Amino acid sequence: KAGVTQTPRYLIKTRGQQVTLSCSPISGHRSVSWYQQTPGQGLQFLFEYFSETQRNKGNFPGRFSGRQFSNSRSEMNVSTLELGDSALYLCASSPATTNEKLFFGSGTQLSVL
Amino acid sequence: EDQVTQSPEALRLQEGESSSLNCSYTVSGLRGLFWYRQDPGKGPEFLFTLYSAGEEKEKERLKATLTKKESFLHITAPKPEDSATYLCAVQGPVDDKIIFGKGTRLHILP
Repeated sequence: KAGVTQTPRYLIKTRGQQVTLSCSPISGHRSVSWYQQTPGQGLQFLFEYFSETQRNKGNFPGRFSGRQFSNSRSEMNVSTLELGDSALYLCASSPATTNEKLFFGSGTQLSVL
Repeated sequence: EDQVTQSPEALRLQEGESSSLNCSYTVSGLRGLFWYRQDPGKGPEFLFTLYSAGEEKEKERLKATLTKKESFLHITAPKPEDSATYLCAVQGPVDDKIIFGKGTRLHILP
């Protein structure tokens, strides 16, 4: 069974640009969560989607958005990039909304110059 | 607000030297406490879920325990391949959000 796949693996953008990151969950998993990981703040929850609906949202500005498609694949978008958005963005999938066990992808390393 | 604090931030041990990692949490109505392991360049990998005080889980050289205020990850006779960042996370009663601590970077010297 294939794991969680995130693309691209690395991304370099400049301030003011926007970026879209993609996540394909494990087959059969319907819950997808996104996290931002930085050395200073650790893993911070962005949002969670289940059956194309956003179930939870973390404390991030509206520049961060996401969506989920009918096949459970998910995308997150960051508009008007800032230097502080440089981070590893991790996607995790789970078979149920209880999220008792999250399966993470390897992440997208975003660098904003 | 739910909070998770892990200590120490970093720990260096000699191979075979046992120790414990601490995870303190503040959440009303804990639904679950989780331990993950993260290797450089990879996403976290699930290790354990603990649900109630007094519960223990074991896997190879790792044992996780839970009290009403904290959890410990005990590592017995560690090997260099146990070197990684260990993350603790909690889930509260209101929604299914998983909140992570900042992790403990463990380095086992051969």
